[in-house]
Amino acid sequence: QVQLVQSGGEVKKPGASVKVSCKASGSISGISWLRQAPGQGLEWMGWISGPNGKTNYAQKFQGRVTMTTDTSTSTAYMDLRSLRSDDTATYYCARGDYGSGSYYGGFDSWGQGTLVTVSS
Amino acid sequence: DIQMTQSPSSLHASVGDSVTITCRASQYINNYLNWYQQRPGKAPKLLIYAASSIHTGVPSRFSGGGSRTDFYLTISSLQPEDFATYYCQQSYETPRTFGGGTKVEIK
Repeated sequence: QVQLVQSGGEVKKPGASVKVSCKASGSISGISWLRQAPGQGLEWMGWISGPNGKTNYAQKFQGRVTMTTDTSTSTAYMDLRSLRSDDTATYYCARGDYGSGSYYGGFDSWGQGTLVTVSS
Repeated sequence: DIQMTQSPSSLHASVGDSVTITCRASQYINNYLNWYQQRPGKAPKLLIYAASSIHTGVPSRFSGGGSRTDFYLTISSLQPEDFATYYCQQSYETPRTFGGGTKVEIK
C-alpha cells in the first residue's frame, strides 16, 4: 500500500501563504487534499492528477489554493494563500478517488497530517 | 453541495455491545458512500466503501449498508480499539463531503 509522508507543522501570520508537501512511496495517480479544524469534521479541498496535473478544487478554495505535483520525486504540494485564522487546521493528503464524477471507493491511504496554525 | 447528516453525534457503549450509526444524504447518491474511523490525533482510516464493501484489513465486525440516501454502519461486539469517531463521506460528486462525525465513547 502506498504510504504518504507530509511535511512538518507550520505557524503563519494572517495574510501569509503556506505550502504543504506530501511524498508518496510509489507513483502518484491522484492526490486529494483535505483539512480538519480543531475539534471539527473533515473538509475536502480538492484533487490533483499525478500524471497530467489536472486539478479540481472545491469552490470554497478557488483562487486561494494551488495544488501541484513533482512526478520525479512522487511529491504533491498544496499551497494556500491569504491565510486567515479560520484556516488553522490539520491538513491531510490522501490517495484514492478520481477527483471528479462518481467513484466507488474512498480515500484509502492518508498522510499523517500537517498542523497549520494561523495566528498574529 | 451534498449535505451528509450523521446520527447520533455521540454514543456511549460497552465492550461487546453492538452499535449502529446512520448517515443520510441530502440527495440521491446511489451507493457511493464510504465510512472512516478516526482515533484522536490520527488520520482517518477507510473502513467501508461503496456502502457495504469492507476495506482490506478491516475486521469483519464492521459492516455497512443502505442505498440512495440512507446508510448505516454497524459495529458488532465493540472492542476497546473501536472507541473513536466515525465519519461517512459521499463519493457521488464533487465536492466530496463528509458527515459531522459520531463519537463512540466508553460507557
